[in-house]
Amino acid sequence: DIQMTQSPSSLSASEGDRVTITCRASQGISNSLAWFQQKPGKAPKSLIFGASSLQSGVPSRFSGSGSGTDFTLIISSLQPEDFATYYCQQYNSYPHTFGQGTKLEIK
Amino acid sequence: QVQLVESGGGVVQPGRSLRLSCAASGFTLRSYGIHWVRQAPGKGLEWVAVSWYYGSNEYYAESVKGRFTISRDNSKNTLYLQMNSLRAEDTGVYYCARDRWAYGDPDAPLEYWGQGTLVTVSS
Repeated sequence: DIQMTQSPSSLSASEGDRVTITCRASQGISNSLAWFQQKPGKAPKSLIFGASSLQSGVPSRFSGSGSGTDFTLIISSLQPEDFATYYCQQYNSYPHTFGQGTKLEIK
Repeated sequence: QVQLVESGGGVVQPGRSLRLSCAASGFTLRSYGIHWVRQAPGKGLEWVAVSWYYGSNEYYAESVKGRFTISRDNSKNTLYLQMNSLRAEDTGVYYCARDRWAYGDPDAPLEYWGQGTLVTVSS
């Protein structure tokens, strides 16, 4: 199985900050990488697919990059509604494994 | 609009069975891959299984292989997850989620998610 490792596991930031979350795959996955946002008690929301393509309706302050084994999610200017937990997922091969999550908290 | 609604969760004793449903609307179920993803209380997301478009193929996580089975009723636009020999570690919220593209399996990202249904395995 492909292991997905996110860093950091948690992060404190302020509104307006630029935030970077990284995701590393244990083997190459090309660009088959998605990012999800989840708020407490809610279903995950799809943000990015293909490592860098935004899902419909996702604000442009979210961006993704990377290929192979190393990937990045950037939020350019944090808004109050962005405080949540973020997960990466590889869909290159089964099982489609998730990272352990990054909890983004208000500083 | 696309909607996925899970149902069938509840409290069940270890070793017993439960069947979850994922009712789809706003699209034709048979053309899309549908996944099950679960989340234990306070934990992260775990991919569980997938049924390809047309039900043409299925894959399962090792943790559920041989115990869980996916099936479809295209006439009802509904997907099922039959869960047998349930264990305490199967406790959690179960989500169904749809591939972004029709006929996209195996290499398709998730786009739409249901609201989830809670399964509690406890004596």
